[in-house]
Amino acid sequence: QVQLVESGGGVVQPGRSLRLSCATSGFDFSGHGMHWVRQAPGKGLEWVALIWYDGSNKYYADSVKGRFTISRDKSKNTVYLQMSDLRADDTAVYYCAREGKWELTVDGFKGVFDYWGQGTLVTVSS
Amino acid sequence: DIQMTQSPSTLSASVGDRVTITCRASQTITNWLAWYQQKPGKAPKLLIYKASTLESGVPSRFSGSGSGTEFTLTISSLQPDDFATYYCQQYDNYSLTFGGGTKVEIK
Repeated sequence: QVQLVESGGGVVQPGRSLRLSCATSGFDFSGHGMHWVRQAPGKGLEWVALIWYDGSNKYYADSVKGRFTISRDKSKNTVYLQMSDLRADDTAVYYCAREGKWELTVDGFKGVFDYWGQGTLVTVSS
Repeated sequence: DIQMTQSPSTLSASVGDRVTITCRASQTITNWLAWYQQKPGKAPKLLIYKASTLESGVPSRFSGSGSGTEFTLTISSLQPDDFATYYCQQYDNYSLTFGGGTKVEIK
């Protein structure tokens, strides 16, 4: 069965860096885009980043652009989120999610988050 | 970015009620809209994609409709397991955005 397991969260001081990992299994990793989505405590969902199935394209929310980097390692079936210059408002549960039900259109791939991990909590605090 | 506005933000209902949640996009998204259910402490779960396609395994009491800028999620007969928060999400472009959520509470 499809599994996504995040790790790497914790408490970090403002301005420091942290790398999250999402280990996947149970599906063809090279056939799916992968996302990171976050949720601040008591708040709604915020999309963070997307990496295409082959790693050729990456997209970011404006709130993290220039500070966060998404990557993937097909040999390990794992997707990463490198976070730098962390701020208090980056505090959230970070979920990785598989892009599924995708369609290729003239505007590119359009897909939804069909499988999610359990999330890992990142707390940015001094 | 496309703004997604959900209403209401909170809804009180009883078991057996018909429940409707509305989601409006700030510009047309054709039918590139998904609905998710989230329970406290858990990851969201995909319910509906492409505005009206039911995800496999999701009960048929859930349905979605709409196109362009106005969309609805309907639960035909609310069950105890349905008390949760629901989010809409547009995937028309690569700046994906969610609605603010609708919490469905027990009346």
